Amino acid sequence: NAGVMQNPRHLVRRRGQEARLRCSPMKGHSHVYWYRQLPEEGLKFMVYLQKENIIDESGMPKERFSAEFPKEGPSILRIQQVVRGDSAAYFCASSPLQPGQGITEAFFGQGTRLTVV
Amino acid sequence: GNSVTQMEGPVTLSEEAFLTINCTYTATGYPSLFWYVQYPGEGLQLLLKATKADDKGSNKGFEATYRKETTSFHLEKGSVQVSDSAVYFCALSGSSSNTGKLIFGQGTTLQVKP
Repeated sequence: NAGVMQNPRHLVRRRGQEARLRCSPMKGHSHVYWYRQLPEEGLKFMVYLQKENIIDESGMPKERFSAEFPKEGPSILRIQQVVRGDSAAYFCASSPLQPGQGITEAFFGQGTRLTVV
Repeated sequence: GNSVTQMEGPVTLSEEAFLTINCTYTATGYPSLFWYVQYPGEGLQLLLKATKADDKGSNKGFEATYRKETTSFHLEKGSVQVSDSAVYFCALSGSSSNTGKLIFGQGTTLQVKP
């Protein structure tokens, strides 16, 4: 059973370009979470999605950032018109359990390290 | 709101020394508590967890006990190895939350020298 797969592992974008980060959850997992890790900091929650639905986007910047988890295919985190401050590691996690019913154990991918030049 | 506070690093120890990394939390309800480890260039791996007061999570020689009275979940290991060098994150997931998201501390870097 493959783990959470993220690609690309490293992404370099010039200011103003778009960045698209992909995440394929573990088989059988229908809950996906995106986190951002700035240098020397912990992970900050961005968004929680289930198939075709955004459940909680309280951590998403109001502009330029969007996320989707279509019925088929990976979850996508999209950053439009990137700026230097978007440089960070972006981690995806997936969970097999319905939140609110007990333990939420999240399995993390290896992350995408975005560098904006 | 919910939050997690960890001791600042880096923590530098000699091999076979005793390790403690402090973690305290603020939360409503009865959260689950976790320790994750991040090796250089990698994602986070779940190290151990506890879901209710007085539970002890353990794995690979690491232990942490869920202390509701002191709102703490300190990580301990009796004898560290060089291979334990990594960043350790304490996190909570609120059982009253309907999103299942994790709230992380800022991480503590552990360096173990031979």
